[in-house]
Amino acid sequence: AQTVTQSQPEMSVQEAETVTLSCTYDTSESNYYLFWYKQPPSRQMILVIRQEAYKQQNATENRFSVNFQKAAKSFSLKISDSQLGDTAMYFCAFFSGSARQLTFGSGTQLTVLP
Amino acid sequence: ETGVTQSPTHLIKTRGQQVTLRCSSQSGHNTVSWYQQALGQGPQFIFQYYREEENGRGNFPPRFSGLQFPNYSSELNVNALELDDSALYLCASSLLTSSLSGANVLTFGAGSRLTVL
Repeated sequence: AQTVTQSQPEMSVQEAETVTLSCTYDTSESNYYLFWYKQPPSRQMILVIRQEAYKQQNATENRFSVNFQKAAKSFSLKISDSQLGDTAMYFCAFFSGSARQLTFGSGTQLTVLP
Repeated sequence: ETGVTQSPTHLIKTRGQQVTLRCSSQSGHNTVSWYQQALGQGPQFIFQYYREEENGRGNFPPRFSGLQFPNYSSELNVNALELDDSALYLCASSLLTSSLSGANVLTFGAGSRLTVL
């Protein structure tokens, strides 16, 4: 079974600064995808960024980028130029080719301070 | 392109009752998945429906059941409600093809908040 671990329950960052959220996972599969989702108080889960395990290049989406270390099974999210609207719960998630379901971590509550 | 809509947004039930939650999938999607998110935790996979049949199930008892309709909308039914069933129930739709690339791109609804007293 796959597991996803987020060891930082809460983090805060000053507006315009950079913050990194950590995630590790465990799997024996070779074909999988990794995600970061954002869940604001509105509750809707919003996709932030996606990484395909077979791609060595780290995914980027505007101010969001990942550091994917496949051998170490690590998948961290870097948010640059943090904005107040980035305040939310962030979930790391794993999607396997065999299970075809998302396995989520326990989340990191990020607060951006003005 | 419409997103995923869920109803009701909030509801309160008492222990032992039954509840039905509804979900309309995003246009163009053929698969619906349901997740349970307890307070302060990450979502847990309940099951997935594809072509009106269950296509994968997480570690949930049989009193959690579902349906998918020809228009790809879905229902989640929970019988004999227990206090621990209090949670946010998230529906997500996706496009399942022979390739894995579309199946993992899930679009989530805003959820139904269930409180069991």
